Amino acid sequence: QMQLQESGPGLLKPSETLSLTCTVSGDSIHNTNYYWGWIRQPPGKGLEWIGCIYYRAITYYSPPLKSRVTISVDTSKNQFSLKLNSVTAADTAVYFCVRHTLSGGKFNWLDPWGQGTLVTVAS
Amino acid sequence: QSALTQPASVSGSPGQSITISCTATSSDVGSYDPVSWYQQHPGKAPKLMIYEGTKRPSGVSNRFSASKSGNTASLTISGLQAEDEADYYCCSGTTTFVLFGGGTKVTVL
Repeated sequence: QMQLQESGPGLLKPSETLSLTCTVSGDSIHNTNYYWGWIRQPPGKGLEWIGCIYYRAITYYSPPLKSRVTISVDTSKNQFSLKLNSVTAADTAVYFCVRHTLSGGKFNWLDPWGQGTLVTVAS
Repeated sequence: QSALTQPASVSGSPGQSITISCTATSSDVGSYDPVSWYQQHPGKAPKLMIYEGTKRPSGVSNRFSASKSGNTASLTISGLQAEDEADYYCCSGTTTFVLFGGGTKVTVL
């Protein structure tokens, strides 16, 4: 059964860089049918798409976050990672990694999801 | 500005049917098709309930169904049960990004 697991620091100070890794098990990140991405959810709020990556390192990012986000892939470890720089309290959220399925050239559905990891930005 | 608009809350009694709408508002509404739907219980990761507009993944109850009319997609929960109380999100993607609706809190009275 395919699983995704997020890992990384849970507490950051303002202006630091958020770094999270998602480890994929039960499927190969080389699978040509999928992109691999990140979603976040601030406490008590809705879901926000951050971006995603193809195993060939093709990336797409949410326009509001694009200037601060980098998503990378390590095919040898079957992992992909998220970096978000210059964090503020507004970046406090649960961060989920998730597989993206394309259909008809469009991002279609997101499944499965990692369990999520809370990242808090506080001084 | 593109958006998927959902009602903030919907409620119903056990056994009833409820419908959650998801309306695409943008200059290119046709790009937001198909829609997928996710259920999220407190403290849990979202769960895929509907994909490709109307399809249910294996294991999802057939009490959940979806449809689309014009630029509005809808999720219907039939025979409402206590376990259906959760937040529900619609979602759609284009060739370059993914968009979520604001979420709908479903309350079982």
